[in-house]
Amino acid sequence: DQQVKQNSPSLSVQEGRISILNCDYTNSMFDYFLWYKKYPAEGPTFLISISSIKDKNEDGRFTVFLNKSAKHLSLHIVPSQPGDSAVYFCAAKQGGGADGLTFGKGTHLIIQP
Amino acid sequence: KAGVTQTPRYLIKTRGQQVTLSCSPISGHRSVSWYQQTPGQGLQFLFEYFSETQRNKGNFPGRFSGRQFSNSRSEMNVSTLELGDSALYLCASSLGVLTGREGEQFFGPGTRLTVL
Repeated sequence: DQQVKQNSPSLSVQEGRISILNCDYTNSMFDYFLWYKKYPAEGPTFLISISSIKDKNEDGRFTVFLNKSAKHLSLHIVPSQPGDSAVYFCAAKQGGGADGLTFGKGTHLIIQP
Repeated sequence: KAGVTQTPRYLIKTRGQQVTLSCSPISGHRSVSWYQQTPGQGLQFLFEYFSETQRNKGNFPGRFSGRQFSNSRSEMNVSTLELGDSALYLCASSLGVLTGREGEQFFGPGTRLTVL
């Protein structure tokens, strides 16, 4: 049972346009959500997070939106740059600090020049 | 600050052997989590250690175990290796206490384990 789902294995976007990566979850107990970026041969790198008490969090070119009623979150990257080409993982956790992260299987974002 | 380091980076073992992987967290971080990444299952949580105690455990068999030392360094052990244990093993560190940024973990580069 996959509790965090990223239904698009890959996404191709033109440089300068908006990239929108989507993530759905099934566990209503999740209360903190994160996005990680991963390059080949490296560990995931934290990008941005959002608590369930918010519906939007912004950091530079990156914005995460949370729709709790739909159990859906999305990551917007504007404008997309070639260095953004990577695999993006959505992750979620519940409760305090003791629980591990539950990850989606990732979306490979390809930024085309 | 130095990042999370993992040793070794690559490892080849045969079925039935056991293996120990090491992780050094970011200085000041007291929580270390371990994850297994495979093409089919993605990133899956193995366990988390905080102040030398296992706080949480994922859904893996008892062949997978770990420990944490007083300096927060952690080791992960897999006994009686199986072909399916071939994976990238990632370690992540965090402060481990409620900071308003719960869940923000910093990952190491991983150890690539191949079981033949």
